[in-house]
Amino acid sequence: GDSVTQMEGPVTLSEEAFLTINCTYTATGYPSLFWYVQYPGEGLQLLLKATKADDKGSNKGFEATYRKETTSFHLEKGSVQVSDSAVYFCALTRAYSGAGSYQLTFGKGTKLSVIP
Amino acid sequence: ETGVTQTPRHLVMGMTNKKSLKCEQHLGHNAMYWYKQSAKKPLELMFVYSLEERVENNSVPSRFSPECPNSSHLFLHLHTLQPEDSALYLCASSQELQGKSTGELFFGEGSRLTVL
Repeated sequence: GDSVTQMEGPVTLSEEAFLTINCTYTATGYPSLFWYVQYPGEGLQLLLKATKADDKGSNKGFEATYRKETTSFHLEKGSVQVSDSAVYFCALTRAYSGAGSYQLTFGKGTKLSVIP
Repeated sequence: ETGVTQTPRHLVMGMTNKKSLKCEQHLGHNAMYWYKQSAKKPLELMFVYSLEERVENNSVPSRFSPECPNSSHLFLHLHTLQPEDSALYLCASSQELQGKSTGELFFGEGSRLTVL
């Protein structure tokens, strides 16, 4: 079945440091890929997405590129801020309709703490 | 109100109690979801309703009973729960097309459930 593997956290960085959170996936066909973010005490919010190979999703300074050859979708940001402290989830949807097509498969999440 | 609203935010119940979680979406979406978020586990999809019809039920114990009276409201009725059911229950909604998830979900802030 489909699966998403994220790097284990927590990750602690100083403000303005470079961030990479690794995400790899296993899926049939060409799934769409997502990063969601959960700030403390809140629900998840869609951060960015990519729907086909070589697409780059970007939002709020975060970027991720859909790499079919390495089945990866790593999240990057050039300069993190304290306000970026949150849990980040990589996710994918199935590429086809039918049973399980509403399933959004999530990774376990990576907690990021940014210190001043 | 805007977005997805969940009530109550916190709930403590005994194993013999009956309670309900409520979710309301103000986004005009046609699909609603219940997810379970437990510590150190990926988010688990419990139920999906599309156009008020249940389309997915991921082997959830019968002590959890969903209800979707209209496209804006979703309930999760709880009965005879176990301590391991303690978790954050997240409601989400989305606008789906042709029976397949776009993956773009809007989440509520969650209901934190503690079963004693």
